[in-house]
Amino acid sequence: EVQLVESGGGLVKPGGSLRLSCAASGFTFSTYNMNWFRQAPGKGLEWVSSISGRSSYIYYPDSVRGRFTISRDNAENSLYLQMNSLRAEDTAVYYCARGSWPFDYWGQGTLVTVSS
Amino acid sequence: EIVLTQSPGTLSLSPGERATLSCRASQSISTTYLAWYQQKPGQPPRLLMYGASSRATGIPDRFSGSGSGTDFTLTISRLEPEDFAVYYCVQYGSSPPGYTFGQGTKLEIK
Repeated sequence: EVQLVESGGGLVKPGGSLRLSCAASGFTFSTYNMNWFRQAPGKGLEWVSSISGRSSYIYYPDSVRGRFTISRDNAENSLYLQMNSLRAEDTAVYYCARGSWPFDYWGQGTLVTVSS
Repeated sequence: EIVLTQSPGTLSLSPGERATLSCRASQSISTTYLAWYQQKPGQPPRLLMYGASSRATGIPDRFSGSGSGTDFTLTISRLEPEDFAVYYCVQYGSSPPGYTFGQGTKLEIK
């Protein structure tokens, strides 16, 4: 059974940093692109970052480029999102999701709150 | 950057009725890279349709998708109580690479 479990969310002050993790199981992790998405409270979905199976390709939207860094450890079946210079507008539930297209499995999400 | 606009914002219907949800793109997109997701409160999105008209694994056949170019539609033929949720369309664009969601349509019980 495919499982994606996010962790690492919490309360952080503006300008602070946080590292999210996504533990994957039930599939051959290294053969799949992986992604981060987020959803602000009461809002819609937003793509945050994508990484190919061997980390050869990494993409970000303008809203997080230069502040967030996606990475993965295929030996540990884990996906990461390092978030720096956090802003109030980064407050959201962050989801990891499998695949390049479409995204067939999603984790339950981890809440990041940026507030002083 | 392609913008997806979903309509209506909220759709109020009764169980047993037919639901038609629209997703319009600001420029033509490949049907291959148009998908629909369903999201219920407190849950992650669930893949419904991909390639505009292909149902994901386990999705009942009352769900169907259609469209091409800039206009896409998700149809639920006969609403079941569990279908009341928020629905998002999403597309993949290659220049620059990335994914764009519509703002969502909330399907609520009338």
